[in-house]
Formats: sequence, C-alpha cells, structure tokens
Amino acid sequence: GENVEQHPSTLSVQEGDSAVIKCTYSDSASNYFPWYKQELGKRPQLIIDIRSNVGEKKDQRIAVTLNKTAKHFSLHITETQPEDSAVYFCAADKSGGSYIPTFGRGTSLIVHP
Amino acid sequence: GAVVSQHPSWVICKSGTSVKIECRSLDFQATTMFWYRQFPKQSLMLMATSNEGSKATYEQGVEKDKFLINHASLTLSTLTVTSAHPEDSSFYICSARPPRTGNQPQHFGDGTRLSIL
Repeated sequence: GENVEQHPSTLSVQEGDSAVIKCTYSDSASNYFPWYKQELGKRPQLIIDIRSNVGEKKDQRIAVTLNKTAKHFSLHITETQPEDSAVYFCAADKSGGSYIPTFGRGTSLIVHP
Repeated sequence: GAVVSQHPSWVICKSGTSVKIECRSLDFQATTMFWYRQFPKQSLMLMATSNEGSKATYEQGVEKDKFLINHASLTLSTLTVTSAHPEDSSFYICSARPPRTGNQPQHFGDGTRLSIL
C-alpha cells in the first residue's frame, strides 16, 4: 500500500517568512496530491492540489511542487501571516471515487506576529 | 462546490450510551464515504469505508461491532458508536467525493466531537 511521510511535524516561523512542508510517497501509481489546512476543531479544507502531469502549481501565496521521479511533493507558503497558523496535511491519491487517499501525519505551522 | 454535512457537531453523554453520527453529501451522490477518527494533534486515522448498499470495510484494529456503519442511501452514511466509553472520546470526521471522472478531492464534514463522561 501507499506510504506518505510528512516533515516537519512542527514548523515555527516569523510573520512574513516563507514556510515549506515536504512529503514523500511510495506508490508510483499515485497521481493526485491534495493539501489540506485544518484549523483547531474544524474540518480539513483543501487549499491546493496538483496532478501528476504537472510539476508546479501556484495560487497567490501558496505553491506546490511535484517531483515524480523522486516521489516527493512540497507545499510552499510565502509571506506567512498569523492566520496561516494551522495543521497542514498532504495526501497521495489516485483517480476514482472509491480509492482511499493516504494522508501524511500533519505539520503544525505556527506563524508568530 | 461539493458540500458534506455532518451532525451533530458536539455530543456529551454518559458511559454506556450509543451515539449516532450522520454524514450527508448535500449536492452529489456518494457511493463511498469515509469515516476518520482524529486524536488531538494527530493525523486523520481511517476507521472504515462506507459503501452504499453493502457492508462497510473496516480498517485493521477497528471493531465493527463497536462502530456500526450504515450507508442506506447515496447521500447518507451513519456511524453509531455503541455502548460508548470514555476511551471512545475523540473527534470523528466523515468525507466523500463526487463520483466524477478524474481526480477529485475529498470533501470533509465539520466533524463531531464526542465526549463520554
């Protein structure tokens, strides 16, 4: 089965700095990689995703990169703000509604004002 | 966009009580829904896959008689925690995704915080 490793488990940055969270996966058949943000006591919410036919995707201050050969993908947040503080989960997934995505263990991002 | 509704959001009850949690897909039909359990500061732990019209598939270590799942329609799955005890206290979240072709993200419910006294 798929195995997703996520690092770091905790990331503390100053407001305005950049934050990078990295994930690796094991199943080369995985072709879809969403990132979720979960604030305390709330649902995980999709913030950005990338498909295996794309190497990079950007949405304002958030970007994701994918290296299929090395089987790793990363989340980049620039100009961090206190409201970016949350737990971020990566996932490795495949096409098909019944396929079960594999989640990373999560990264707690703390942005200090 | 796709919306998943989960109720109740918070339950406090006495030990021995059975608690039912509902998960609804509001604007799409979901043949498959997923139930997760999340402990504080930890990742999502998949408990079971709920399949419409058939038995749920439970992950290793999850007691199917303890956590009853029913997926009687294409828009509703229920999780019943039977004879709940304090160790069952946790945050339970369901998810589903539209059955469209291609990659689709999971959409999560708001979660249910279960506290057993």
